[in-house]
Amino acid sequence: QSVLTQPPSASGTPGQRVTISCVGSNSNIGTNYVHWYQLPPGTAPKLLIYRNDQRPSGVPDRFSASKSGTSASLAISGLRSEDEADYFCAAWDDSLSGPLFGGGTKLTVL
Amino acid sequence: QVQLVESGGGLVKPGGSLRLSCAASGFRFSDYYMSWIRQAPGQGLDWVSYISGSRGRIHYADSVKGRFTISRDNDRNSLYLQMNSLRAEDTAIYYCARGGYFYELDPWGQGTLVTVSS
Repeated sequence: QSVLTQPPSASGTPGQRVTISCVGSNSNIGTNYVHWYQLPPGTAPKLLIYRNDQRPSGVPDRFSASKSGTSASLAISGLRSEDEADYFCAAWDDSLSGPLFGGGTKLTVL
Repeated sequence: QVQLVESGGGLVKPGGSLRLSCAASGFRFSDYYMSWIRQAPGQGLDWVSYISGSRGRIHYADSVKGRFTISRDNDRNSLYLQMNSLRAEDTAIYYCARGGYFYELDPWGQGTLVTVSS
């Protein structure tokens, strides 16, 4: 099963800004919404960004996202230790007729 | 509040069966698509299946088609995943989540671990 392409890891120090990319194709990111999920260690996955750039209530505005063409990116500013988690992008895939996930990016706060 | 709680995971031998359940609360269950997603050890997330609120639309990932069956009981606010002919590669944490058809998945349950091993 194909996946959306994310860097396997990212890191930053407290207070820094980090970005995570997500590359897809016309059958997914190019034509459909992108969502981002956060998986902190040992806890349930959490919706972080939906429909390209929308933050659910309760998600700090340190988290932002954008989409352009067949790529998307998540930005985290003012990095905090509690941001250490796995981050996954996702988009509906017209070929799969289902949600397609990125391979995930492990964010380490140094 | 909106909550999803999975159960039914465990250790099963290759070729065996297992039925997962997901109890939903805090929202009108019958109004929503529901999905199962899994994460194998050290791997990313993989969508498994979704079902519409009315059960009229069901879809599976190719990797589980013909072996897994998704169902729901709207009277009991429950989602199920019947898993047959299990393989080692089905070993994963299985999450249920609200949504999944075109739009975002939110919320997710805490997951239930399925281990397929002899």
